[in-house]
Amino acid sequence: GAVVSQHPSRVICKSGTSVKIECRSLDFQATTMFWYRQFPKQSLMLMATSNEGSKATYEQGVEKDKFLINHASLTLSTLTVTSAHPEDSSFYICSAKRQGHGYTFGSGTRLTVV
Amino acid sequence: RKEVEQDPGPFNVPEGATVAFNCTYSNSASQSFFWYRQDCRKEPKLLMSVYSSGNEDGRFTAQLNRASQYISLLIRDSKLSDSATYLCVVNAPTSYDKVIFGPGTSLSVIP
Repeated sequence: GAVVSQHPSRVICKSGTSVKIECRSLDFQATTMFWYRQFPKQSLMLMATSNEGSKATYEQGVEKDKFLINHASLTLSTLTVTSAHPEDSSFYICSAKRQGHGYTFGSGTRLTVV
Repeated sequence: RKEVEQDPGPFNVPEGATVAFNCTYSNSASQSFFWYRQDCRKEPKLLMSVYSSGNEDGRFTAQLNRASQYISLLIRDSKLSDSATYLCVVNAPTSYDKVIFGPGTSLSVIP
């Protein structure tokens, strides 16, 4: 139980374009999901907390206009990286918490901006 | 001071060895503690939660010392498959559901 599906697993995009990443809770409802970014040889850094039906809460230093988060249903949260630049290339991971199961992570999306 | 700190590593140990990882956290109000493992280029996976009384799961033992704000993970009889990065995770006191990841400690178990 407590499966989180994330896709795409890998995406390469041109600089200046936008990329959408989806995160779905498959067997439970998640009112809150978390979006992380991980650069090589570094730990996960929380970018924002996605709240179903309301605005996301962004961590300090994360541009909300660049990283658009939508959590329109209890099972889906999306992160859109707008006007991507090479420095946005990273591993993006979502997670959700389910009572009794701790925090479950999606399989991650490796974004490369060229 | 970082909110969650871990041994910098990497740890390179032979098969069968016992290895211990340490973690400290800065906010005494934190209530939930976890150890996750992350394989290269994969998502983190829950290894075990850490309870006040300490807990054991097979070869893995986790300890919590609230007074010292210290968490440990002990791995006995290391296997090659234990090679991974181990992440200490602590909840953020201002938000029950938000957690903070430590930088991780890399373990390589050598044949």
